[in-house]
Amino acid sequence: SQTIHQWPATLVQPVGSPLSLECTVEGTSNPNLYWYRQAAGRGLQLLFYSVGIGQISSEVPQNLSASRPQDRQFILSSKKLLLSDSGFYLCAWTRGTGNTIYFGEGSWLTVV
Amino acid sequence: SQKIEQNSEALNIQEGKTATLTCNYTNYSPAYLQWYRQDPGRGPVFLLLIRENEKEKRKERLKVTFDTTLKQSLFHITASQPADSATYLCALEGGSYIPTFGRGTSLIVHP
Repeated sequence: SQTIHQWPATLVQPVGSPLSLECTVEGTSNPNLYWYRQAAGRGLQLLFYSVGIGQISSEVPQNLSASRPQDRQFILSSKKLLLSDSGFYLCAWTRGTGNTIYFGEGSWLTVV
Repeated sequence: SQKIEQNSEALNIQEGKTATLTCNYTNYSPAYLQWYRQDPGRGPVFLLLIRENEKEKRKERLKVTFDTTLKQSLFHITASQPADSATYLCALEGGSYIPTFGRGTSLIVHP
């Protein structure tokens, strides 16, 4: 069966520090991968998506970046965090259009 | 611009009643629509998918309707239970491989 893991689950980072959130999918190949952010009481905002290794599309201009170094690995990064980067980050995958979207456990980021 | 609208106000109902949640959209021509459940501090979990050629879909106590003329989907939970309390999200695919979610409606079922 397929599983998705993301980590760390919780982190508190000072303003200006770097960020790395990692997500891996097991049990499938060539998944479409996504990073969403959910601010408190808000909806899911799509940040990045990828349909293949090295193929990253950004939906929102910001100081975040994403990379897909391997087929089932998706990384969200920042060189310098802002207070506004705080939120709940979710990694997700699908087999493609018209398929169920599977989410990871989420990562709570607090920038102080 | 494309919009997905769900009631921002929480829906409060008594246990045993039917809960009905609404998802309206504009400037989409979706081939399908999905509903998800999200509990606090957790990722959304898939519930149902309905395609444009399907008027209604059922799964146990859940029922979804899809009216492409009205550009609306209704999500029903019959015989609701306190354990059904959560936020329910609808999702559409607005472009190639891009699932887009509504903000969700919070459902609170009172015992």
